[in-house]
Amino acid sequence: KQEVTQIPAALSVPEGENLVLNCSFTDSAIYNLQWFRQDPGKGLTSLLLIQSSQREQTSGRLNASLDKSSGRSTLYIAASQPGDSATYLCAVICNTDKLIFGTGTRLQVFP
Amino acid sequence: EAGVVQSPRYKIIEKKQPVAFWCNPISGHNTLYWYLQNLGQGPELLIRYENEEAVDDSQLPKDRFSAERLKGVDSTLKIQPAELGDSAVYLCASSLGSREAFFGQGTRLTVV
Repeated sequence: KQEVTQIPAALSVPEGENLVLNCSFTDSAIYNLQWFRQDPGKGLTSLLLIQSSQREQTSGRLNASLDKSSGRSTLYIAASQPGDSATYLCAVICNTDKLIFGTGTRLQVFP
Repeated sequence: EAGVVQSPRYKIIEKKQPVAFWCNPISGHNTLYWYLQNLGQGPELLIRYENEEAVDDSQLPKDRFSAERLKGVDSTLKIQPAELGDSAVYLCASSLGSREAFFGQGTRLTVV
């Protein structure tokens, strides 16, 4: 059974710092991995999708990497801003086309 | 392009009452998901549709939950009767196969 873990569960950093969020999964047989952002009381916003054949994807200040063999993905946020404060969720897509989520990392960036 | 649309955004009902949630996926997306999210947790799959067919409903509590996706487009999720433990956020998502999934704003259900 696929299990997804995200570390840390919460993170508080000053504005301007570069930071790394971690996601690990137990079964390396995945199709894709997707990172989402969730603001309080809102739905999920897709940030990046990494296909199993890729090693990383970049969008603006965000960079996500994928190492299938070790069952890990990282989300790198450069020059963090208060507007980045949210919960970040990773999800793996397995051969059942089902997204399996981690419990998220709650990020707070203070001015 | 319109995203995934869900309604209502919020719903408060008394226990034992029925409730229904509606989802309109992104046009052309054949895969539709309903997820349940409890506070502080990641979303968990309730049911997944490929077009009109429910291909994964193993986590759907079928004694009180039901879902349908008429004509392979819009979908409705129903709970009857609702219990206190059903209070959560119900999320709908759509995708084209196993490609990038897009979520709606969710429906926050409170059962009192």
